[in-house]
Amino acid sequence: QSVLTQPPSVSGAPGQRVTISCTGSSSNIGAGYDVHWYQQFPGTAPKLLIFGNRNRPSGVPDRFSGSKSGTSASLAITGLQAEDEADYYCQSYDSSLSGVVFGGGTKLTVL
Amino acid sequence: QVQLVESGGGLVKPGGSLRLSCEASGFTISGYSMNWIRQAPGKGLEWVSDISGSSSYSNYAESVKGRFTISRDNAKNALYLQMNSLRAEDTAVYYCATAPILPPYMDVWGKGTTVIVSS
Repeated sequence: QSVLTQPPSVSGAPGQRVTISCTGSSSNIGAGYDVHWYQQFPGTAPKLLIFGNRNRPSGVPDRFSGSKSGTSASLAITGLQAEDEADYYCQSYDSSLSGVVFGGGTKLTVL
Repeated sequence: QVQLVESGGGLVKPGGSLRLSCEASGFTISGYSMNWIRQAPGKGLEWVSDISGSSSYSNYAESVKGRFTISRDNAKNALYLQMNSLRAEDTAVYYCATAPILPPYMDVWGKGTTVIVSS
């Protein structure tokens, strides 16, 4: 059981908008710790997608955006493309565990 | 270019030991805290351990505390993970990653090295 909760899967048609939620608690997201997002294709290493709740590293399309409110965060992908089909993970820090925590991951399927 | 390359993975019997290495190129790791993250087959990401730039502190996930030891050699631009008393549940791909700030996020990842614990 992951400390951060994500839906196991989401799907959308090309061009649509999808969101992936990440729910935590008062010892991690709710305590003010930033949320970060990673994209992972099968057989490859994760790649940083969003850092500091809403910031995109250089090279990440602006179709990807992040937000945070209370004990939750969300990743939104607009103008869905076939190449976005991947696993997505949220990550934060937990003060009770004194360590980094990840969500269980969400598999995005582009229909 | 900026790169991290893990090595040292392999097949080991339960109770055995293994030492993973992560070598950096294209940048110096001394300015970064460094992390190990693992991913069991078909599962999600699990943070394992991190170490500060000066090695003044290190943290471990409860699942590996007392069995794994993280270390670094900034002169060699390398990170290590000594894994003892290995269990079947330690079977995973192990990634090293840099973290530019604390609390960390991982901005540069290696491609991973596979550890299989099986008799």
